[in-house]
Amino acid sequence: QVQLQESGPGLVKPSGTLSLTCAVSGGSINNNTWWNWVRQPPGKGLEWIGEIYHSGSTNYNPSLKSRVTILVDKSKNQFSLKLSSVTAADTAVYYCARTKLWRLDSWGQGTLVTVSS
Amino acid sequence: DIQMTQSPSSLSASVGDRVTITCRASQSISRYLNWYQQKPGKAPKLLMYAASSLQSGVPSRFSGSGSGTDFTLTISSLQPEDFATYYCQQSYSIPRAFGQGTKVEIK
Repeated sequence: QVQLQESGPGLVKPSGTLSLTCAVSGGSINNNTWWNWVRQPPGKGLEWIGEIYHSGSTNYNPSLKSRVTILVDKSKNQFSLKLSSVTAADTAVYYCARTKLWRLDSWGQGTLVTVSS
Repeated sequence: DIQMTQSPSSLSASVGDRVTITCRASQSISRYLNWYQQKPGKAPKLLMYAASSLQSGVPSRFSGSGSGTDFTLTISSLQPEDFATYYCQQSYSIPRAFGQGTKVEIK
């Protein structure tokens, strides 16, 4: 069974770039599926950030598109998220997740990223 | 963008109650509708996909219905472990938006 694990700095300064990695184990990132980032501000709902295919094709949420980059590293079986020009509004728990047949069926445990000086 | 609206935002219910949560899409999404359950401090868990298909391992007291713009998630007999927040999500188009969530609390 595939497992996902997020990692990265828990604190980012305002105007900086948030960088997270999602390591995939128990399965290949080359499978015919999409890999996602989803975030959840403290006490609020879920927001879909974007997705990437193993070929490198991406789809982003238009509300974040100008600041988001999602990349895949097939050699390491992982994918990553970069979010630039962050503000306090980007403080959230960030989850990575796998799409299987149009649904998010496997999720990482999530990692809290706080934007603060 | 397609907007997803859930109702109610929260509800109080007792163990054994039948609970229904509604999700409405701002335009037709066919049956590209998923439901997730989230407990505090945990990642969301997939409950239902394609509007009415039960994810493996999920108890049969959960059921889903609907197509087009109107969908429902029903818990036939609420159990203590079902107190959580429930989210719908459309997978029809980009961005793959979630509803705002429905918190199910103990009465």
